[in-house]
Amino acid sequence: GAGVSQSPSNKVTEKGKDVELRCDPISGHTALYWYRQRLGQGLEFLIYFQGNSAPDKSGLPSDRFSAERTGESVSTLTIQRTQQEDSAVYLCASSLIVGGYTFGSGTRLTVV
Amino acid sequence: GIQVEQSPPDLILQEGANSTLRCNFSDSVNNLQWFHQNPWGQLINLFYIPSGTKQNGRLSATTVATERYSLLYISSSQTTDSGVYFCARQGLTGGGNKLTFGTGTQLKVEL
Repeated sequence: GAGVSQSPSNKVTEKGKDVELRCDPISGHTALYWYRQRLGQGLEFLIYFQGNSAPDKSGLPSDRFSAERTGESVSTLTIQRTQQEDSAVYLCASSLIVGGYTFGSGTRLTVV
Repeated sequence: GIQVEQSPPDLILQEGANSTLRCNFSDSVNNLQWFHQNPWGQLINLFYIPSGTKQNGRLSATTVATERYSLLYISSSQTTDSGVYFCARQGLTGGGNKLTFGTGTQLKVEL
């Protein structure tokens, strides 16, 4: 596609439920990143995928967070047993191996 | 740890004014980018600039990698320039394969 597409754009969930967020990167971009941005804060790295290499999961805050990506296609970020502190905007970006990142519009997650 | 410091943290300009935003980083980089986050939250990539100078309209950026800083120049500012400006770096020696973001400069351009 022309840009990075994320869905849903907004998600309200009850504490304790699982949620799945989707990211569709720019076609041909081998690298895909997930970041989290809490209200009024900067961007916090979560996970990085590059082609078929093992992902860099060093930013995942707990074992409730996981992400998958098949090849160079869609990625899903799953948060299990959501907590109120998980409320944030989850941003996905993609890029070529070298070059600038293109971010999606994000998924605003609210845990009530 | 790896640090990315931006200054000033906040800036208010009158429309038409010029400004310079600074980004200092604590280690060698092979990837330095500037982003604008508009008031609706969308992040727009302004520059991919690991070294040298680039210009795009009223915006230009310079990275001096040997001295570990980058500058973003905004000329003839407009109200649509308002938002948060982030710089982000990826290092040669640390931080893995990801951009580490600074805390941003909040810019407000007034009429």
